Amino acid sequence: GDSVTQMEGPVTLSEEAFLTINCTYTATGYPSLFWYVQYPGEGLQLLLKATKADDKGSNKGFEATYRKETTSFHLEKGSVQVSDSAVYFCALIPWDKIIFGKGTRLHILP
Amino acid sequence: GAVVSQHPSRVICKSGTSVKIECRSLDFQATTMFWYRQFPKQSLMLMATSNEGSKATYEQGVEKDKFLINHASLTLSTLTVTSAHPEDSSFYICSAEDLLNTEAFFGQGTRLTVV
Repeated sequence: GDSVTQMEGPVTLSEEAFLTINCTYTATGYPSLFWYVQYPGEGLQLLLKATKADDKGSNKGFEATYRKETTSFHLEKGSVQVSDSAVYFCALIPWDKIIFGKGTRLHILP
Repeated sequence: GAVVSQHPSRVICKSGTSVKIECRSLDFQATTMFWYRQFPKQSLMLMATSNEGSKATYEQGVEKDKFLINHASLTLSTLTVTSAHPEDSSFYICSAEDLLNTEAFFGQGTRLTVV
């Protein structure tokens, strides 16, 4: 069945470091791919999305490219900030149901 | 790992009736639960934040009298769709955080169809 696998956390980085959070998926057809972020005490927020192969989603300095050949949607940011500390979820929508990865907690040290 | 159980997974109801969806944390206590709605092929929309023992906080545009949320214990939150209409048909999903807010876990989701 459809599934999402993302790297386990927690991930701890220093401010201004480069960030990569890996996400791979298995799905039939052509799903849409998403990254959500959850800050402490808050609900999920959509960070970025891509709806077809080779699309690049971007927002707040974060980027992810829909790679159908490697079935991946890795999240990247060139220079992280303390305010980026949160839990990040990769998600897949094959049709009418959303499937989440387990989440990756990110800690950014000043 | 921790499990969040959401029930039912699928429900069909007639217009005008009410439907209750349960979200249970099975092996941890959740002070905060979130309810989301998802339309086909679209991303999630946060509906409300549910805190144990207090009133839910609804997002702008969500009718609190239509989507009743109760969080009566540290392991159970319920969403009741009152006087359901076909436009309420959607996929509803809950998530729960443990007391230490170290992780969030998702229910399996509920597919609601109003006919």
